[in-house]
Amino acid sequence: GAGVSQSPSNKVTEKGKDVELRCDPISGHTALYWYRQSLGQGLEFLIYFQGNSAPDKSGLPSDRFSAERTGGSVSTLTIQRTQQEDSAVYLCASSYSGSSTDTQYFGPGTRLTVL
Amino acid sequence: AQSVTQLDSQVPVFEEAPVELRCNYSSSVSVYLFWYVQYPNQGLQLLLKYLSGSTLVESINGFEAEFNKSQTSFHLRKPSVHISDTAEYFCAVSDPPMNTGFQKLVFGTGTRLLVSP
Repeated sequence: GAGVSQSPSNKVTEKGKDVELRCDPISGHTALYWYRQSLGQGLEFLIYFQGNSAPDKSGLPSDRFSAERTGGSVSTLTIQRTQQEDSAVYLCASSYSGSSTDTQYFGPGTRLTVL
Repeated sequence: AQSVTQLDSQVPVFEEAPVELRCNYSSSVSVYLFWYVQYPNQGLQLLLKYLSGSTLVESINGFEAEFNKSQTSFHLRKPSVHISDTAEYFCAVSDPPMNTGFQKLVFGTGTRLLVSP
């Protein structure tokens, strides 16, 4: 079946602009995660969705970052007033239930470059 | 808070040689441990995981990792690497499930394995 997809694959924007990143999880997966992968750093957890709710958004770096999920499926990560330090690869993952023993399936990522 | 250390940012090795990629984590309580692999121009995919039971876990392509609680390590090994093993490898740990209620992964910074002929 289809895996996790993300769009766009690459995004170049100017400092101060808003961007939206999209994630389509595997069908039937209730858990959805966003991560950020910056150069020289590991993957950094941003937010976790269970269905349409976000019980853990502790990793969002500032109030410029927000995310939503609709219909228990597609999720959008929005970054307002982008800064150069927001440049990174943003990864989305989904898993069947969010259980600690689940396997998370990752999308190919969106590479964001803020000029 | 959990942390994961992958001391080697890059490991060059010749084809058919053995390799060990090191991973240490901070917590002394029960944790779940994972190795993910990212091949060039591909997304992350699970290589193997330790949840409970036997401390030695294996992947389908010949990698193995051993959970060592006393040393808080989960090193990844392969006795003979192939060119196709060239990739970036990430070690991850999940917080104890009773703390978070879901699988919250904490990743290391990754080790780039470079296999040359």
